Amino acid sequence: DADVTQTPRNRITKTGKRIMLECSQTKGHDRMYWYRQDPGLGLRLIYYSFDVKDINKGEISDGYSVSRQAQAKFSLSLESAIPNQTALYFCATSDGDALNQPQHFGDGTRLSIL
Amino acid sequence: AQKVTQAQTEISVVEKEDVTLDCVYETRDTTYYLFWYKQPPSGELVFLIRRNSFDEQNEISGRYSWNFQKSTSSFNFTITASQVVDSAVYFCALSEGGRSGYALNFGKGTSLLVTP
Repeated sequence: DADVTQTPRNRITKTGKRIMLECSQTKGHDRMYWYRQDPGLGLRLIYYSFDVKDINKGEISDGYSVSRQAQAKFSLSLESAIPNQTALYFCATSDGDALNQPQHFGDGTRLSIL
Repeated sequence: AQKVTQAQTEISVVEKEDVTLDCVYETRDTTYYLFWYKQPPSGELVFLIRRNSFDEQNEISGRYSWNFQKSTSSFNFTITASQVVDSAVYFCALSEGGRSGYALNFGKGTSLLVTP
């Protein structure tokens, strides 16, 4: 089983809809991140969380919200989706006690907003 | 401002050629970490290497090698005797401390195409 699981893997929806992308991990890491990938732009940080009670905005948080329901779960919501939020979304985790360790990424959620 | 610059957007080589992917970073921290990730056409991100700011030793892993030079703020990646399976997008990333939570700052990526 994957250490970092993202659901759904693919989603097509319409402008104005509320969407939730979910991420769960079995690695026991305290830090979790959401990134967005657009062609030619690399990955950009949306939100990150040090633990359940510590959530921080990243570079491009406008239009998004997050919820850290438990250490293992970190959800990303688009309250009212718009077409320019069409992108590939990645969740990642890292161990707060081993900051030089690589982040572990999920397989991504491909989101299309029509 | 972009903290990680990968100036090469696309590179195309013929199989067995050597290829170097450039990465230049910018930071004021004395402690930081550098990473390379590979993204094959299937889309997942595959970790390749990490390097901390105090370790300037170059590293070789099979056909892959990395050259870290603090003096020029560069962390370049060389694939020797490239193969078709090396075709992917490669990302260089920087991780800094403080309130960024050691989140990764990614470059925009270099798309490598290796043809037979």
